[in-house]
Amino acid sequence: GENVEQHPSTLSVQEGDSAVIKCTYSDSASNYFPWYKQELGKRPQLIIDIRSNVGEKKDQRIAVTLNKTAKHFSLHITETQPEDTAVYFCAASKESGNTPLVFGKGTRLSVIA
Amino acid sequence: NAGVTQTPKFRILKIGQSMTLQCTQDMNHNYMYWYRQDPGMGLKLIYYSVGAGITDKGEVPNGYNVSRSTTEDFPLRLELAAPSQTSVYFCASTPTSGTSSYEQYFGPGTRLTVT
Repeated sequence: GENVEQHPSTLSVQEGDSAVIKCTYSDSASNYFPWYKQELGKRPQLIIDIRSNVGEKKDQRIAVTLNKTAKHFSLHITETQPEDTAVYFCAASKESGNTPLVFGKGTRLSVIA
Repeated sequence: NAGVTQTPKFRILKIGQSMTLQCTQDMNHNYMYWYRQDPGMGLKLIYYSVGAGITDKGEVPNGYNVSRSTTEDFPLRLELAAPSQTSVYFCASTPTSGTSSYEQYFGPGTRLTVT
């Protein structure tokens, strides 16, 4: 089955700097890669996702890149702000609801003002 | 829409007790999931369902049971609670196949402590 590795487990950045979180996956058939943000005590919420037919997707300060050959994808947050402080999870699956997402273990991002 | 709702929010169980965690969604999603999240850890899939009457095991199903008699409800049953089941439990749902989004919508979670 699918296995998703996520690095780093913790990341501290100064406000205004960029943050990069990386994930690798094992199943070459996976074609859907979402990123979730979980603030302390809250539920995970989708912030961006990418499908295997594109290499990059951007939404304001957040971007995701995908390298299908190497089987890795990354989350890039630019101009970080204190409200970006949270745990971020990557996930992978084949694009159908009956193939559950496999999550990485998460990255705890702290943005220091 | 209320989205995905879960009850109770918090619960303390004694070892060996049983309980049911309730999950309901009002978005007419066919796919529903139960995850557990241990402190400082990621999400582990317990069970999932692709529609009423259909359930399947996830990564960590031992000690749990589920049923899916309606599209809206997906309860999770703990029969003999053990300290290892202390965790936060999240229910989630996804739109049916054929849509452009496979976003999982999470409920607010149930914090369970077994002592």
